[in-house]
Amino acid sequence: QKEVEQDPGPLSVPEGAIVSLNCTYSNSAFQYFMWYRQYSRKGPELLMYTYSSGNKEDGRFTAQVDKSSKYISLFIRDSQPSDSATYLCALSSGGYNKLIFGAGTRLAVHP
Amino acid sequence: DVKVTQSSRYLVKRTGEKVFLECVQDMDHENMFWYRQDPGLGLRLIYFSYDVKMKEKGDIPEGYSVSREKKERFSLILESASTNQTSMYLCASSFRDRDTDTQYFGPGTRLTVL
Repeated sequence: QKEVEQDPGPLSVPEGAIVSLNCTYSNSAFQYFMWYRQYSRKGPELLMYTYSSGNKEDGRFTAQVDKSSKYISLFIRDSQPSDSATYLCALSSGGYNKLIFGAGTRLAVHP
Repeated sequence: DVKVTQSSRYLVKRTGEKVFLECVQDMDHENMFWYRQDPGLGLRLIYFSYDVKMKEKGDIPEGYSVSREKKERFSLILESASTNQTSMYLCASSFRDRDTDTQYFGPGTRLTVL
């Protein structure tokens, strides 16, 4: 079983839709949860960072962590064509432990 | 603003060649990482370094080596390139935050081995 599972998609939505992207994980030691966005032919860029459980909001983006279910989500409100990218979740147990990445979900927002 | 640069965006090499991929960061980060990214497999850690002249194996180090002679520079070396090393190679760096290391990525090098 992989440490982090992420549906690869592709996910295609109309402009303005609410998008939900998810990852599940198996290691209860993970405490730090990140979402990266990767445009085609570019490196990943950090989008959201959350520590432990709860929600974090940044503009149209909301990151949610449910440690009891080992489930993390990224919500995008009022999605735009410029949000079309691959979204990767990344988890860490902290300290010198490395980041574990999901395989990424490809999102396409069409006008 | 953090900047991580990689020496080439696209590289084509022949089987058996020695390949050098260079990565430079300008934020005085202690930590540097090399990943490869393949469709359906996500990012896989090849090697990482927490300090100058220090290196640690990641999940898939076979066929690769690294060098960190200066804090800002981390090189990935393919001693004898093979076709299964055709991939996107991503370098990342991070500072040692109080709680975790948030990694910042370069633009990637797409390597094709013929």
